Amino acid sequence: DVKVTQSSRYLVKRTGEKVFLECVQDMDHENMFWYRQDPGLGLRLIYFSYDVKMKEKGDIPEGYSVSREKKERFSLILESASTNQTSMYLCASSYPQASDRYGYTFGSGTRLTVV
Amino acid sequence: GNSVTQMEGPVTLSEEAFLTINCTYTATGYPSLFWYVQYPGEGLQLLLKATKADDKGSNKGFEATYRKETTSFHLEKGSVQVSDSAVYFCALTNTGNQFYFGTGTSLTVIP
Repeated sequence: DVKVTQSSRYLVKRTGEKVFLECVQDMDHENMFWYRQDPGLGLRLIYFSYDVKMKEKGDIPEGYSVSREKKERFSLILESASTNQTSMYLCASSYPQASDRYGYTFGSGTRLTVV
Repeated sequence: GNSVTQMEGPVTLSEEAFLTINCTYTATGYPSLFWYVQYPGEGLQLLLKATKADDKGSNKGFEATYRKETTSFHLEKGSVQVSDSAVYFCALTNTGNQFYFGTGTSLTVIP
């Protein structure tokens, strides 16, 4: 089974801290994604990457950046955490050629609280 | 553009009741359609999918039929269990490179 592993299930950080959320997948997927999930808003795409060192902005990139130095790892960075970034963060990966048949594989999520 | 609209929740049902969660979509071309399920405290898991019109996806007693004429992909289950309590997301993709998700429907099944 494909596994997408997010490094932390729960995280509490202080306002202004730089926060790193890590995501690793073990099936050589080219595509990787970061979403945030908030009640009533569903999933909103923050950033995605089609390949190493490539990144594209999603719908809500403000306040975030990403890094993809290796194919299996996609990091989400909160440059200066704020309370409105308290949320559930979900990482996903897929084969670009087969996503329409097999969908995304998601990690278990990181619940981030900024105090 | 591409978008997915799901029925508003939350939905509360008694065990063994019939479940329908409505999903309609707007898309260019011929999208693939998916249902994902999210159990409490976890990420999303693929529940079922359909890649062309009139296809029926099924898994764990859940079914959904891809209806192009009504642009719908409603999720159904004949007899729900307490263990089905979760949030359900409808989604589509055209290219495979980006998915579009509905806002999710929370289901609670009471014994």
